[in-house]
This record gives sequence, structure tokens and C-alpha cells, in this order.
Amino acid sequence: NAGVTQTPKFQVLKTGQSMTLQCAQDMNHEYMSWYRQDPGMGLRLIHYSVGAGITDQGEVPNGYNVSRSTTEDFPLRLLSAAPSQTSVYFCASSSPGGGETQYFGPGTRLLVL
Amino acid sequence: AQSVTQPDIHITVSEGASLELRCNYSYGATPYLFWYVQSPGQGLQLLLKYFSGDTLVQGIKGFEAEFKRSQSSFNLRKPSVHWSDAAEYFCAVGRRGTYKYIFGTGTRLKVLA
Repeated sequence: NAGVTQTPKFQVLKTGQSMTLQCAQDMNHEYMSWYRQDPGMGLRLIHYSVGAGITDQGEVPNGYNVSRSTTEDFPLRLLSAAPSQTSVYFCASSSPGGGETQYFGPGTRLLVL
Repeated sequence: AQSVTQPDIHITVSEGASLELRCNYSYGATPYLFWYVQSPGQGLQLLLKYFSGDTLVQGIKGFEAEFKRSQSSFNLRKPSVHWSDAAEYFCAVGRRGTYKYIFGTGTRLKVLA
């Protein structure tokens, strides 16, 4: 199993550009989430999904959009990038059967100029 | 308000010394508690978790943590630190089935040879 994969690993955007961060998991996990990690602030939940077709907002959802059309994929869209969205983004997945342990991807480092 | 506090931003210990990383939480319901470790440039990996039962839980890599309800704490311990333990450690709290976890701001561990 590849676990949780994220692409790209690193991206530079200009203010106002849009892009999609990809996340995929091959563990058949129902739950997937997106976090952003900023220095001194730990991880903050952006959006999460408890299954295909079901998404909900986390702590810092503004400026981000998600959809979940399949169990495997959970892309994160930046609608109009802003410098405040410069961060490291992590995708995670988990399952109730796994005791809600979250499995994290390697992260995407995003720089918005 | 629900929160997780890791009061130590940085900790430095000598190899072979004991380690305790502090985690305090504020949570209305019976919490699920987790400790994750993040090596440089990597995603997060679960060290251990507490749901119920025995308040002393064992994890991977020789780590353990003790849940103290009266002190709202879930401190991570290791009797003898190895150089490979140098990393950042995150405490997280949530409620079963909600899939909305709150992470602390992390403690960065440095190990001296």
C-alpha cells in the first residue's frame, strides 16, 4: 500500500492564481481531512470528509474548497491564492475500524508570492 | 473552549536521559488523546493514543503516556532518549466519531550526543 499520497510536493503561486492540491489514499478509509501547518500554530483543520459526497468545514476553511467524489481522492482547491495561504498542507485519512488513527501524507509546501 | 496546550516549545536532552513532554487539554466531553511525531520534512506518525481503560498507554519506539483526568494532562514519556528521537511532537485531542481533532502547537526535541 502507498498509504496517503500528495502532489505536488512544492508549489509557487502568484497572488490570485488558483490551484488544486491532490490527495489520494489506498486504504479504503472513510474519513479524510486537510490541515495546514504554520510555525508556532501546530496543525489546523481546513476541511474534512466522512465519506464520498460528504464534506464539512474545519477551523480555517475560508479561501479553500473541497469535494469528495470517490473514497480514494480528496482534492483541496485554492480559489484565489493569497500570501496568507503560504503554508505546508497535510492530508490525512482514518477509519473508525482503525481506532481513528490518522495517517498523514508527506505534505505539500506552498509559497504564495 | 476546546484547546490543547503544549507549554514547551523546545526541549533539549542528552542521549540516554529521560524525557517528559507535557500536554494539557481543555475539552468538555471524554476526550480521545493522541501523540504524533513529525520528523523533518515528513508527515506525522502516530506514537500512541488513549480512548479509555488503563490510563498508562504504551506506544511505539519505547514511548508511553499517562492520562490524568484530574489534571487534564496527557504527558509523553520515554526513559532513555536516542538521537533518532529528535523530532517535533504533537499532542491532539478529539471526541469519538466527530473526526475533528485539535492539535497542540508542538514541542521540538533536540538530542545532544
